[in-house]
Amino acid sequence: GQNIDQPTEMTATEGAIVQINCTYQTSGFNGLFWYQQHAGEAPTFLSYNVLDGLEEKGRFSSFLSRSKGYSYLLLKELQMKDSASYLCAVSPPGGGNKLTFGTGTQLKVEL
Amino acid sequence: DAGVTQSPTHLIKTRGQQVTLRCSPKSGHDTVSWYQQALGQGPQFIFQYYEEEERQRGNFPDRFSGHQFPNYSSELNVNALLLGDSALYLCASRLVAGGGETQYFGPGTRLLVL
Repeated sequence: GQNIDQPTEMTATEGAIVQINCTYQTSGFNGLFWYQQHAGEAPTFLSYNVLDGLEEKGRFSSFLSRSKGYSYLLLKELQMKDSASYLCAVSPPGGGNKLTFGTGTQLKVEL
Repeated sequence: DAGVTQSPTHLIKTRGQQVTLRCSPKSGHDTVSWYQQALGQGPQFIFQYYEEEERQRGNFPDRFSGHQFPNYSSELNVNALLLGDSALYLCASRLVAGGGETQYFGPGTRLLVL
């Protein structure tokens, strides 16, 4: 089976840096996605990690450790528009569409 | 380049009724998946269609069925609606051949069962 854990809520200040953690225990694993979802909207793709290490993409970076079953999403220079739910999702061995999502971390950015 | 589109955007039904939701994948994509997202939860995988056949299925009852058409668009049908079927239904598409892993989600259909 699949078990994915991420914090329910986080609060951070505009301009700051925030790290959202995700741990997973799965019977098989290919890669890990991060999606951003604003209230009432569809999830939008942020990153996909297959190999260990850090991948940077503008203000957002994502890290993966396969041996530890651990990932984090790092958001720098926070903006008010970054207030959203951040979803961690695992893809099965061989890839494919059957993503298993965590419950999401609701990030609130304050002035 | 058109993204994933879904219709309708909102729908209200009563218990026992049947509903059909529609999805058009991103241009050039040939694989469609459906997810159910309850309030405050992450999306749950329902099933995936490729080459007009159901290829993978999540832990959903047979009341949930689907179809994929030759133009890659897809329908999700839910029979004998229950109150617990109230959720946001998301469609996601990707390109299987050489297209990588990334799935793109549509805006969703919000279903309310009364």
